[in-house]
Amino acid sequence: QITLKESGPTVVKPTQTLTLTCSFSGFSVLTIGEGVGWVRQPPGKALEWLGFIFWDDDKRYRPFLKNRLAITKGTSRHQVVLTMTNVEPADTATYFCAHRRTGDAFDVWGPGTLVTVSS
Amino acid sequence: QSVLTQPPSVSAAPGQKVTISCSGSGSNIGNNYVSWYQQLPGTAPKLLIYDNDKRPSGIPDRFSGSKSGTSATLGIAGLQTGDEADYYCAAWDNSLNSGVVFGGGTKLAVL
Repeated sequence: QITLKESGPTVVKPTQTLTLTCSFSGFSVLTIGEGVGWVRQPPGKALEWLGFIFWDDDKRYRPFLKNRLAITKGTSRHQVVLTMTNVEPADTATYFCAHRRTGDAFDVWGPGTLVTVSS
Repeated sequence: QSVLTQPPSVSAAPGQKVTISCSGSGSNIGNNYVSWYQQLPGTAPKLLIYDNDKRPSGIPDRFSGSKSGTSATLGIAGLQTGDEADYYCAAWDNSLNSGVVFGGGTKLAVL
């Protein structure tokens, strides 16, 4: 059974760097074919894909955020880290990590963590 | 403005069937798989349909998906009050700004 959970700060000041960790069980990010994605949802708005990281360390990012985003493997094979630099109030959102299955679908999601960017 | 277009809302009575459309283009729906998600209030999205028309284990067959050209449709039969939620379609987009694109979401009301 796959489970995921996001963790990190709930409030970040503008221009600071946001770091979120996705901790999961039931699979390893080092196993061939596996991938983890990040999706965010501003309050009252639609889902917005941020990026993927794959077992072979290949990465894909949302084009308009590419210069501010980094997704890396964590200290264990059961962690992935999202880093977003120079945050602004428009980055206020619930951030989800999710297990990617074939066809670029997300079949298991974490509960999400609300991050507020405010001074 | 989302790349995939969904109606903002749909409604139907309990027991009836409703369909939710998702319109895209050749760079996304036309050449890639579509997935559908259900998001109940205050919760994470849940995968309902992947690869256009496949249901993950545990998803009842009341939920169905189809794709034709650059559009996709989610069908929900035998509506229940517990189906009231936001529904999102998604697909990979092969354009210059490639990545996963989501629809703007459709709020389903079961009246």
